[in-house]
Amino acid sequence: DTAVSQTPKYLVTQMGNDKSIKCEQNLGHDTMYWYKQDSKKFLKIMFSYNNKELIINETVPNRFSPKSPDKAHLNLHINSLELGDSAVYFCASSYRGLDRGPVRPYTFGSGTRLTVV
Amino acid sequence: GDSVTQMEGPVTLSEEAFLTINCTYTATGYPSLFWYVQYPGEGLQLLLKATKADDKGSNKGFEATYRKETTSFHLEKGSVQVSDSAVYFCALSDPTGRRALTFGSGTRLQVQP
Repeated sequence: DTAVSQTPKYLVTQMGNDKSIKCEQNLGHDTMYWYKQDSKKFLKIMFSYNNKELIINETVPNRFSPKSPDKAHLNLHINSLELGDSAVYFCASSYRGLDRGPVRPYTFGSGTRLTVV
Repeated sequence: GDSVTQMEGPVTLSEEAFLTINCTYTATGYPSLFWYVQYPGEGLQLLLKATKADDKGSNKGFEATYRKETTSFHLEKGSVQVSDSAVYFCALSDPTGRRALTFGSGTRLQVQP
């Protein structure tokens, strides 16, 4: 009954390959996020979807393409992988609703460790 | 833009010592403030939160008070345990909800028996 689940947990691949990471939440949240955590543990927002609509799209290479088929799923596809893409990628979700007030806490997945060789 | 500054780690303490991890922020308006904890090999878990000035968040013996005058949200615990060893992240939310949570750089805590 994992709340936010990511697959795969580990991904090792060669430079130039294309790979996808999947995320699913069963919390009934309407907003999902992708964060990248580098080797120094710094977390950087990449994308966010609210009810399948892209609402946050930070400065990320266009080799990264998110896709949200429904509000419970958010996938991340990466083309032409580079060494610098090696990191841990975290999916998270929260509930925003129609209330534009303070952001409610996020629930994080356990991460996908991507290693590009 | 919004930003969060945390003390650099690692912080190394003996069991039962007092813990303080400093966090200061820069933001427009009145953000909500959070502490998250990341245990080795896991995702981030919400530890505590505060949504307005002078609020105190608390959980599992940890506390933090939202200080608007000093723009701070320092994390404290009176007596740490080995099981508290983890990376702790301070974060703030944009009051409008238009931006994602902004995280500090994280502070690694190592508690020795």
